[in-house]
Amino acid sequence: DGGITQSPKYLFRKEGQNVTLSCEQNLNHDAMYWYRQDPGQGLRLIYYSQIVNDFQKGDIAEGYSVSREKKESFPLTVTSAQKNPTAFYLCASRRQSNTGELFFGEGSRLTVL
Amino acid sequence: LAKTTQPVSMDSYEGQEVNITCSHNNIATNDYITWYQQFPSQGPRFIIQGYKTKVTNEVASLFIPADRKSSTLSLPRVSLSDTAVYYCLVGDGNQGGKLIFGQGTELSVKP
Repeated sequence: DGGITQSPKYLFRKEGQNVTLSCEQNLNHDAMYWYRQDPGQGLRLIYYSQIVNDFQKGDIAEGYSVSREKKESFPLTVTSAQKNPTAFYLCASRRQSNTGELFFGEGSRLTVL
Repeated sequence: LAKTTQPVSMDSYEGQEVNITCSHNNIATNDYITWYQQFPSQGPRFIIQGYKTKVTNEVASLFIPADRKSSTLSLPRVSLSDTAVYYCLVGDGNQGGKLIFGQGTELSVKP
């Protein structure tokens, strides 16, 4: 079945460590997105990519990095520069058009110990 | 920058119709309006999408006035399982592809 796969579902990290969250889609979508969600809050855009080898910062990109070497993959690295990384991270993709709906993965919950 | 504003929370009872309004004053000419539903610890899922006037599917209706500066999601005869957070989303016409969610509306359906 087509969809978006995020891994790991749960991740624990010590302060000062970088961690990479995986996001893979087999929907043949051009655009991919990373959002962060804190408890009781809405989704905030971290990074997005509309095409392979290109990506743009969202509203809260500081302390994060991404790559888009393949159409189906958009990994997110949470670096030690991110001061409050504990959150729920959601990856999404959609067709590259203004009508394409977003398809979300199941999310990755990162906890910094 | 297209920004959306929604009520923070709403309460309803089973069997009632619920209308959630979203304002989006800076919507771009080619932007569609999309509504999503999110349950705790899950990714949002698509409910309905429209451009103007009225759209209806098997779960909801979407009303969009002529000026498109707002939209209203209508959920007929809600049940307890409709308790969730609802987000309206419009594209950022200035940066094509940048999709910003508002704070969402937390709907609580009571028996």
